[in-house]
Amino acid sequence: DGGITQSPKYLFRKEGQNVTLSCEQNLNHDAMYWYRQDPGQGLRLIYYSQIVNDFQKGDIAEGYSVSREKKESFPLTVTSAQKNPTAFYLCASRPGQGYNEQFFGPGTRLTVL
Amino acid sequence: GENVEQHPSTLSVQEGDSAVIKCTYSDSASNYFPWYKQELGKRPQLIIDIRSNVGEKKDQRIAVTLNKTAKHFSLHITETQPEDSAVYFCAASEGGYGFKTIFGAGTRLFVKA
Repeated sequence: DGGITQSPKYLFRKEGQNVTLSCEQNLNHDAMYWYRQDPGQGLRLIYYSQIVNDFQKGDIAEGYSVSREKKESFPLTVTSAQKNPTAFYLCASRPGQGYNEQFFGPGTRLTVL
Repeated sequence: GENVEQHPSTLSVQEGDSAVIKCTYSDSASNYFPWYKQELGKRPQLIIDIRSNVGEKKDQRIAVTLNKTAKHFSLHITETQPEDSAVYFCAASEGGYGFKTIFGAGTRLFVKA
């Protein structure tokens, strides 16, 4: 379980502020992902990255931004443009191409006050 | 784009009974179908997966079946136990070539003792 970590576990933000969620992995995985989890809506893909310095928009990228400067790190910034940011955010990583599972971090619960 | 529908959203069974969760996918290029279990307050974890060249796969009390023609796959849990209570997610992806994974909305399974 310690292979992929997220911080902080709980995060509170005032409306209009940007906030950055951390995701780090020491599994030497090429691919990393950010999902948003809302009750009854499963896991919705925000952004994913196949390799360092490259990332792709998922289904709900509006109001979010990412970077992938290091293989181990894939931070997610929730901007003030995201209209409904209160949610549970999960980061995941995967070895790369092939038939293999995603390993999830413990998640960050973001609440906008 | 790819869509994965999952049913039912909630399932309640008596301990010892079987549980079946069904998913359909839209992208005929999908060839890798993992199932994840998320216990309350924890991260999703892979419980079983199946590739498109296989029709059925079994691991102790859980099994997954795949019908590529109809584009649907199902999770079967036999002899359910209270510790099987969790949210289950199906997913679909192009396992050999792609990195994007689309998840179903999830099924909350309750196993009554």
